[in-house]
Amino acid sequence: QQPVQSPQAVILREGEDAVINCSSSKALYSVHWYRQKHGEAPVFLMILLKGGEQKGHEKISASFNEKKQQSSLYLTASQLSYSGTYFCGLEIGSGNQFYFGTGTSLTVIP
Amino acid sequence: GAVVSQHPSRVICKSGTSVKIECRSLDFQATTMFWYRQFPKQSLMLMATSNEGSKATYEQGVEKDKFLINHASLTLSTLTVTSAHPEDSSFYICSARGNGNTQYFGPGTRLTVL
Repeated sequence: QQPVQSPQAVILREGEDAVINCSSSKALYSVHWYRQKHGEAPVFLMILLKGGEQKGHEKISASFNEKKQQSSLYLTASQLSYSGTYFCGLEIGSGNQFYFGTGTSLTVIP
Repeated sequence: GAVVSQHPSRVICKSGTSVKIECRSLDFQATTMFWYRQFPKQSLMLMATSNEGSKATYEQGVEKDKFLINHASLTLSTLTVTSAHPEDSSFYICSARGNGNTQYFGPGTRLTVL
């Protein structure tokens, strides 16, 4: 049931871009993206409700391909504060089942 | 924004004792609450989903008699780890969802069983 994320880990220099992918084996109702800092609870970044929807939040945006059961998170011109572990969260079926992806550790260095 | 609190934030207990963790939605009514467990360097694993006034739905492999969940009101859900053992040591996080689709997370409870 657990969605698979890729890559598992990535190291960027400040200002570089990154893409994190999330794939599901089941049909999706919605996609959520979160960032978690060490020892803290996940922080909500954005939700995508419709297939093909794209959303943006400052320099972080995401897309949702309902047909492929995939979502991608785009981080552009990365900042040091972007470091953390990124999780996709997928609502499956009618929306009462929710599963986190395997996680992607992102480290931004000066 | 919506706020979810968890109490306690950290608990250390002896093996064999029971521990209760509270999850409260402070400024909205949570029709659904989710309980997750996270081991170091791993993803959050859904343990159970609870809707107010009904029995929780547990994920496969999660013992419902060991992890008792009560969602007695629209603002409170509790998770009780009964007869805790060292392997139950983990970071437990709840989330709450109101009428929309967004889940709001509590700050988490770190449980250490000696």
